[in-house]
Amino acid sequence: EAGVAQSPRYKIIEKRQSVAFWCNPISGHATLYWYQQILGQGPKLLIQFQNNGVVDDSQLPKDRFSAERLKGVDSTLKIQPAKLEDSAVYLCASSLRGAGTRSYEQYFGPGTRLTVT
Amino acid sequence: AQKVTQAQTEISVVEKEDVTLDCVYETRDTTYYLFWYKQPPSGELVFLIRRNSFDEQNEISGRYSWNFQKSTSSFNFTITASQVVDSAVYFCALGNSGGGADGLTFGKGTHLIIQP
Repeated sequence: EAGVAQSPRYKIIEKRQSVAFWCNPISGHATLYWYQQILGQGPKLLIQFQNNGVVDDSQLPKDRFSAERLKGVDSTLKIQPAKLEDSAVYLCASSLRGAGTRSYEQYFGPGTRLTVT
Repeated sequence: AQKVTQAQTEISVVEKEDVTLDCVYETRDTTYYLFWYKQPPSGELVFLIRRNSFDEQNEISGRYSWNFQKSTSSFNFTITASQVVDSAVYFCALGNSGGGADGLTFGKGTHLIIQP
């Protein structure tokens, strides 16, 4: 079974530029998550989708970050404009969890390492 | 608010020693899930275990074992007879249960170094 796919694996941009990350979850997984992992810290949830609806985006800096999952499968996370403090690894995860069901384990992709200069 | 504390930033042991990684959590929820993930140098988070708040039985999987104690809000992880391949950063995480958001709250991780 294929795991969570993410691209690109690495990205270097200058501050104030924009960048987009793509994620394809494990087939059949209804729930998709984006996490930000700053060096030396644990991942922090940015946004959770269930199918194509947003469940939790309380920690997403909405002035510069946006995310979508239009058809309930792939997802894109965008940063515009980027700041130096956005340098981090952006992790996508997916789980089987459907509406109203118990929590399942989350499976993570390899991440996208973003460097903002 | 939920919080996970992994007080050990780094642990270094010699191969074949046993090692325990500590995890203490805070939550107001009565139903919740606890997780451990491994992050090897390659960077990908690898799922190790999920335990729900109603199941306090200890679990053993090969050289790995987990001790969940609700009374002390702890979910500790022990590796028996450690091996060099166990070297990684280990994260403890806490998630909600039931309907709604179940994004994980992670601790800062414990960097485990197994020396040959």
